[in-house]
Amino acid sequence: AQSVTQLGSHVSVSEGALVLLRCNYSSSVPPYLFWYVQYPNQGLQLLLKYTTGATLVKGINGFEAEFKKSETSFHLTKPSAHMSDAAEYFCAVSKIYNQGGKLIFGQGTELSVKP
Amino acid sequence: SQTIHQWPATLVQPVGSPLSLECTVEGTSNPNLYWYRQAAGRGLQLLFYSIGIDQISSEVPQNLSASRPQDRQFILSSKKLLLSDSGFYLCAWSVLGGRGGSYEQYFGPGTRLTVT
Repeated sequence: AQSVTQLGSHVSVSEGALVLLRCNYSSSVPPYLFWYVQYPNQGLQLLLKYTTGATLVKGINGFEAEFKKSETSFHLTKPSAHMSDAAEYFCAVSKIYNQGGKLIFGQGTELSVKP
Repeated sequence: SQTIHQWPATLVQPVGSPLSLECTVEGTSNPNLYWYRQAAGRGLQLLFYSIGIDQISSEVPQNLSASRPQDRQFILSSKKLLLSDSGFYLCAWSVLGGRGGSYEQYFGPGTRLTVT
């Protein structure tokens, strides 16, 4: 069965510091992987995705993630945090060969950015 | 381009009252549709998904039901609300990619439901 684990429910960084949000997955077949961001009282917004091809994917707002098959990881990074990055971040994996195109979400990581 | 609408944005309902939340998608045909719930401080729980008109699958037993009367319309309902139905309800759509997996899901703005 596929699953997603996000390490750390809360991460706090200083403005200008590196952002690293961790995501590990389990899947018997190469998965599709996604990162979403959610601001308070809003829906989820797609940050970036990996389906096939280049393992380093770039997304919106300066975020990027690298698919590492050997480590079953898809960590999200941003070189320099901005106050506007404070939000909840969700990693997700697509269920493959399953009707309905369902996503399996991690529990989320709340990112705080200190001035 | 595609857009997804949800209404109402907020709703306060007494215990035992009915519920109807609506979601519509524009700019795409035959999407997969999904209803999620976020309880306070918790992650996303998939409630229902639909791969076509009148084709609804329930993920968890609960006090809610879903219907899809038109291709791009998805409705979440309840006959009698419980306190535990409070939460943030999100609708999403996707199209299937290769290998039967979803390339990604796109989310609506959500409905905040408070049951009193």
